[in-house]
Amino acid sequence: DAGITQSPRHKVTETGTPVTLRCHQTENHRYMYWYRQDPGHGLRLIHYSYGVKDTDKGEVSDGYSVSRSKTEDFLLTLESATSSQTSVYFCAISWAEGRSYEQYFGPGTRLTVT
Amino acid sequence: QQQVKQSPQSLIVQKGGIPIINCAYENTAFDYFPWYQQFPGKGPALLIAIRPDVSEKKEGRFTISFNKSAKQFSLHIMDSQPGDSATYFCAAETSGSRLTFGEGTQLTVNP
Repeated sequence: DAGITQSPRHKVTETGTPVTLRCHQTENHRYMYWYRQDPGHGLRLIHYSYGVKDTDKGEVSDGYSVSRSKTEDFLLTLESATSSQTSVYFCAISWAEGRSYEQYFGPGTRLTVT
Repeated sequence: QQQVKQSPQSLIVQKGGIPIINCAYENTAFDYFPWYQQFPGKGPALLIAIRPDVSEKKEGRFTISFNKSAKQFSLHIMDSQPGDSATYFCAAETSGSRLTFGEGTQLTVNP
């Protein structure tokens, strides 16, 4: 599992409420990623980080923010959840430039926004 | 905007058959082309990857064929087994250490 945990694993929330998902790694990898997985869309990158306090947007970043204050933790926040953000969210890590095609994924968080 | 197109969406084969999953891309700046395998309830896992200067790569029963001029690549699974039933994603590595994934193919191998 490359030492990646995600919490919570399941969450049901109401439209308009803030939600924070946590990704924790134990192996000091530099790169961390947040994806969402939806039927027919594969995995789409939301945000990624290439170091503490260094983050950048992916292809579906609207409505999401991230923070990385420690190497081991990468937080994804939905400031005001909407039903379109119902999805399975995966965190991933890779350990070096030049091998970022080799990503290790966490177990996922299933988020339902009612 | 999906930069990697994958087909088919779903595929059913008999045990021992050779399923083939195809992907096409537009961006010639892609550096690496990995395939990921995902079982239900799990995160995707890297299966095999190929560089654009190589036409074929084999790892066990899994083979990637790469056609640079056509901007296409495919995954072949030799002697497929029921345990290969999973969702398969192709991807392409872009600059900035990011991956762009295809839409996924749900493979079912019947006994």
